[in-house]
Amino acid sequence: GENVEQHPSTLSVQEGDSAVIKCTYSDSASNYFPWYKQELGKGPQLIIDIRSNVGEKKDQRIAVTLNKTAKHFSLHITETQPEDSAVYFCAGSLGGSARQLTFGSGTQLTVLP
Amino acid sequence: NAGVTQTPKFQVLKTGQSMTLQCAQDMNHNSMYWYRQDPGMGLRLIYYSASEGTTDKGEVPNGYNVSRLNKREFSLRLESAAPSQTSVYFCASSDLETQYFGPGTRLLVL
Repeated sequence: GENVEQHPSTLSVQEGDSAVIKCTYSDSASNYFPWYKQELGKGPQLIIDIRSNVGEKKDQRIAVTLNKTAKHFSLHITETQPEDSAVYFCAGSLGGSARQLTFGSGTQLTVLP
Repeated sequence: NAGVTQTPKFQVLKTGQSMTLQCAQDMNHNSMYWYRQDPGMGLRLIYYSASEGTTDKGEVPNGYNVSRLNKREFSLRLESAAPSQTSVYFCASSDLETQYFGPGTRLLVL
């Protein structure tokens, strides 16, 4: 089955700096890669996703890049703000009628004021 | 439009007790899922239902059963709770790709 590894497990940045979180996946057939943000005491919320036929996707301060050859994808957050502090999860999916997501272990991002 | 709702929010059980976690979605999604979240391990899939009337095992199904009651509702049952089942449980539903999560149920088994 699919295996998704995520690094780093914790990340602290100064407000206004950029943050980068990286994930690798094992199954070359995976074709959908979402990123979720989880605030304390809440369920994960989708913030951006990318499909295997796209190399990069951007939404305001958030961008995701995908390298299919190397089987890794990254989340980039620019101009970080205190409200970006949360746990971020990457995931990979092989598709099918029910998208079975395999999640990374999460990154605790802290944005220091 | 409430999205995905879960009940209860928090529960304490004694070892050997049973309980059912409830989940409902109002987005007319075909697929529903149950995950558990443990510190440092991300979310792991317990069971999923691709459509009404079907259920399948995920990565960690032992000790759990599920029922897809109708298109809206998907319940998770612990027949004989064990301390190893102490966790936060999330229900999700999806259209073709995007999964939407509920707020979670925090379960403590003593």
